[in-house]
Amino acid sequence: DAEITQSPRHKITETGRQVTLACHQTWNHNNMFWYRQDLGHGLRLIHYSYGVQDTNKGEVSDGYSVSRSNTEDLPLTLESAASSQTSVYFCASSEQGIAEAFFGQGTRLTVV
Amino acid sequence: QQQVKQSPQSLIVQKGGISIINCAYENTAFDYFPWYQQFPGKGPALLIAIRPDVSEKKEGRFTISFNKSAKQFSLHIMDSQPGDSATYFCAASIGGAQKLVFGQGTRLTINP
Repeated sequence: DAEITQSPRHKITETGRQVTLACHQTWNHNNMFWYRQDLGHGLRLIHYSYGVQDTNKGEVSDGYSVSRSNTEDLPLTLESAASSQTSVYFCASSEQGIAEAFFGQGTRLTVV
Repeated sequence: QQQVKQSPQSLIVQKGGISIINCAYENTAFDYFPWYQQFPGKGPALLIAIRPDVSEKKEGRFTISFNKSAKQFSLHIMDSQPGDSATYFCAASIGGAQKLVFGQGTRLTINP
């Protein structure tokens, strides 16, 4: 079955370290998204991509970057982790023109 | 203008009762309004969605009511069951599941 997987599921890192969260989907979807989920804020869009080599900033992109070298993967990099980036991160994908977005299981990141 | 405001933050309903969650938006360009259901430790999953050309959409026990003039939409869960206990997010976007703007979430608890 097609799916979207995130790794790791949990990570603890120190302030200032670079961290990369992986997202892999097997639906061959063009659209991929990264959201962070924080209590009281719902899910907020960090970065998104509409295809290979395409990346765009979302609502809360400061301190994060993404790259899209193939259709299946959109890794999210925290350049220098900060305590404010402690959160649960969700990756999602959707097909162009199709309404439903499919979410991964999430990565819980703690920055200490 | 990109915000979607959701209420209440938490809701407790007795088994068999009706659960009602409300959302309001400002951006009249939004043309797709989904509701996502999230269980603990899982990613959000699409529950039901509506476009502004209809005022109501029903799928089983779940109904979306949409008021375009008031820029409001709501989720009604009829005959609420303990298995419905989850966090519910409303969202809005332009052009389908491109960039979803989420509400803050409602934690629903159905008491047996």
